[in-house]
Amino acid sequence: GEDVEQSLFLSVREGDSSVINCTYTDSSSTYLYWYKQEPGAGLQLLTYIFSNMDMKQDQRLTVLLNKKDKHLSLRIADTQTGDSAIYFCAEIPGGTSYGKLTFGQGTILTVHP
Amino acid sequence: DTAVSQTPKYLVTQMGNDKSIKCEQNLGHDTMYWYKQDSKKFLKIMFSYNNKELIINETVPNRFSPKSPDKAHLNLHINSLELGDSAVYFCASALQGASSYNEQFFGPGTRLTVL
Repeated sequence: GEDVEQSLFLSVREGDSSVINCTYTDSSSTYLYWYKQEPGAGLQLLTYIFSNMDMKQDQRLTVLLNKKDKHLSLRIADTQTGDSAIYFCAEIPGGTSYGKLTFGQGTILTVHP
Repeated sequence: DTAVSQTPKYLVTQMGNDKSIKCEQNLGHDTMYWYKQDSKKFLKIMFSYNNKELIINETVPNRFSPKSPDKAHLNLHINSLELGDSAVYFCASALQGASSYNEQFFGPGTRLTVL
């Protein structure tokens, strides 16, 4: 299957950490992605992780991958009001080419001052 | 210096009409995509072209017809518009082989409202 699932909403206070979770079903995906969509805008690649890695850190972002459970998470440290957006988990299922991205439903992150 | 641009940004039209959305990228990419985002923010791929050839064609009604006149452009024509076509349509582009992780660059979206 090609289903990617995420929780729909997350609300945090400025300065706290945010953790957005995702589960996927295709274990042959080579890369898993996090895209960010700000209000009224298109998507932007935030970070990605190669499937043979457990963790990737990029400044305030930490991606954790548990291949056994097919679970992916994105942690944003010191969350700022500018981080308020929709975050999409995505994969390119194995056996597909040319970047056929399959997205989760998106998690709406709201950051309160 | 817009990377992926779409026109129009907003499109309001009556049921039964035919309309087109245009997309252009100036990134030198060889692959372009159309995605549909529904009212619940769910995103799904519709079509993809690589070097002007159709390579991804998901299950969409044949009222939707993509056209790629050259590598930098991918247009979407929709015939006999229906209420359910109301959505935000995103164009994206990528360069195959440029990176192992295949980053796609998205346009700002076209919000289509069918009345």
